[in-house]
Amino acid sequence: DGGITQSPKYLFRKEGQNVTLSCEQNLNHDAMYWYRQDPGQGLRLIYYSQIVNDFQKGDIAEGYSVSREKKESFPLTVTSAQKNPTAFYLCASSRGQKANEKLFFGSGTQLSVL
Amino acid sequence: AQSVTQLGSHVSVSEGALVLLRCNYSSSVPPYLFWYVQYPNQGLQLLLKYTTGATLVKGINGFEAEFKKSETSFHLTKPSAHMSDAAEYFCAVSEGSGTYKYIFGTGTRLKVLA
Repeated sequence: DGGITQSPKYLFRKEGQNVTLSCEQNLNHDAMYWYRQDPGQGLRLIYYSQIVNDFQKGDIAEGYSVSREKKESFPLTVTSAQKNPTAFYLCASSRGQKANEKLFFGSGTQLSVL
Repeated sequence: AQSVTQLGSHVSVSEGALVLLRCNYSSSVPPYLFWYVQYPNQGLQLLLKYTTGATLVKGINGFEAEFKKSETSFHLTKPSAHMSDAAEYFCAVSEGSGTYKYIFGTGTRLKVLA
């Protein structure tokens, strides 16, 4: 079955460490997104990519970086510059870039600080 | 600028009772509206969406929502709650030319009492 795979499910970060969250999709979708979810705050957009080798900052990009070298992969790096990284991170994709497109989500990665 | 307000961060209903989750939006142009559901430690999945046409939209699992332009509302309902409906529900609005313009509400956690 097609879908989005996020790994790992749980991740722990030490002070000053960069960590990378994996997101892979086999839906052949052009667009991919990273959202951060905090309790009571809904989902906030970190980065998005509409095509390979291109990505744009979302609303809360500071302290994060991404790459899109392959259509099916969109990894997110949480850098040491992100001072409050503890959150649930969701990767999503959509077939196109129209505003009425449905988003498909992965099952998320819970990141915590040691 | 578009925004979404979900009234009630927690809603409790008895099994078999009506479910009503409220969503109001603000948009400068006709919006696209969505309801997503999230089960614990999982990603979001689409329940239903309104794009154009019929204002009463039916979704999965017996849920439906009505777009009321005059009230700028898109409330989610289900006639009879089931224990399996316990989850967090997110209303979202999108406008313009890209899905990266999704704005999510802060979510409503539904509890179903036996």
